Amino acid sequence: QKEVEQDPGPLSVPEGAIVSLNCTYSNSAFQYFMWYRQYSRKGPELLMYTYSSGNKEDGRFTAQVDKSSKYISLFIRDSQPSDSATYLCAPATGYGNKLVFGAGTILRVKS
Amino acid sequence: GAVVSQHPSWVICKSGTSVKIECRSLDFQATTMFWYRQFPKQSLMLMATSNEGSKATYEQGVEKDKFLINHASLTLSTLTVTSAHPEDSSFYICSARLAGIYEQYFGPGTRLTVT
Repeated sequence: QKEVEQDPGPLSVPEGAIVSLNCTYSNSAFQYFMWYRQYSRKGPELLMYTYSSGNKEDGRFTAQVDKSSKYISLFIRDSQPSDSATYLCAPATGYGNKLVFGAGTILRVKS
Repeated sequence: GAVVSQHPSWVICKSGTSVKIECRSLDFQATTMFWYRQFPKQSLMLMATSNEGSKATYEQGVEKDKFLINHASLTLSTLTVTSAHPEDSSFYICSARLAGIYEQYFGPGTRLTVT
């Protein structure tokens, strides 16, 4: 079993839709939960991160962590064609510790 | 700010030869740099962590004699793939981190094809 699982997609949505991207993980020691966005043939860029359980909002993006079910989500409101990319979740056991990346979900937002 | 570059962006080499990939932090001093490998439709896998002036720490299963990492300055780290084979063909991505800051800034990646 992989430590971090993501549905690879692709997930296709119309412009303006609310997008839900999800990861499950197996290591209960994970405390920090990162979301990265990766455009084709580019390196990942950090979108946001949360610590432990709960929600965090940043503009159109909301990250949610449910440690009891080992389930993490990223919601994108009012999705735009420019949001089309691969989204990677990457939890870590501690601040500055190794990131464990999921395989990523491909998102396509159609105008 | 916080820009990381990689060179080359794409390289093709013959089996048995060695290839060097450079990772540079352009506008900050990176005390720690990381090297990842990404196969198509798979996760980024951490290969090694290097701190400036120290030997790199390799992840389990990564051959340190095959993947030579040098972090000689606060703005430059190099990864040399020695005696490359077709199974080494992959997307290699570096990231850099400032001292005391958690966030890693990623480079654009280098696509290596070994024929």
